[in-house]
Amino acid sequence: QKEVEQNSGPLSVPEGAIASLNCTYSDRGSQSFFWYRQYSGKSPELIMFIYSNGDKEDGRFTAQLNKASQYVSLLIRDSQPSDSATYLCAVFMFSGGYNKLIFGAGTRLAVHP
Amino acid sequence: DGGITQSPKYLFRKEGQNVTLSCEQNLNHDAMYWYRQDPGQGLRLIYYSQIVNDFQKGDIAEGYSVSREKKESFPLTVTSAQKNPTAFYLCASTPGQGSEQYFGPGTRLTVT
Repeated sequence: QKEVEQNSGPLSVPEGAIASLNCTYSDRGSQSFFWYRQYSGKSPELIMFIYSNGDKEDGRFTAQLNKASQYVSLLIRDSQPSDSATYLCAVFMFSGGYNKLIFGAGTRLAVHP
Repeated sequence: DGGITQSPKYLFRKEGQNVTLSCEQNLNHDAMYWYRQDPGQGLRLIYYSQIVNDFQKGDIAEGYSVSREKKESFPLTVTSAQKNPTAFYLCASTPGQGSEQYFGPGTRLTVT
């Protein structure tokens, strides 16, 4: 089992719809969770971070965390073609003998007009 | 402007040559990281440094070396011992352990 798992996609949604991106993680003791957006050929850009169970909203983005289910998601409302990118989930966890940020392989989102 | 810079953006080298990638930050962050990204894979940690003059190996340190002589700088050397060096290399820094990491623009290294 991978430590941070994401569906690779592509997830295709029409413009204006809600895009839902999901991520599961293996370490029940993890405390910090992050979502990054990565455009093709560019470096990852931090979108959201969440530490507590529940929802955290920032503009069109909402991060949802459920520690009991070891599940974190990102909702993008009113999706725009400019949101088309790969979204990386990252979880800070103890792995391989030390604490570190573990990244999922990413979900590719395609928003079509 | 505060941020992280990496240079060069693109780098081409012949097999058997060592190459050094630059990473500089003016965010006053103590911790810095080097990752490697290959197509279809998540980021993999090469080395990290939590304080000046100290650094630790990450998951894939073989064939790489680093130094941390100044807080602002964390250069990565890709040696000839690295078997598959062609990749996208990303430098990151963070204000504290467990906090968000911020990335530089990356260096795309191609070795032929």
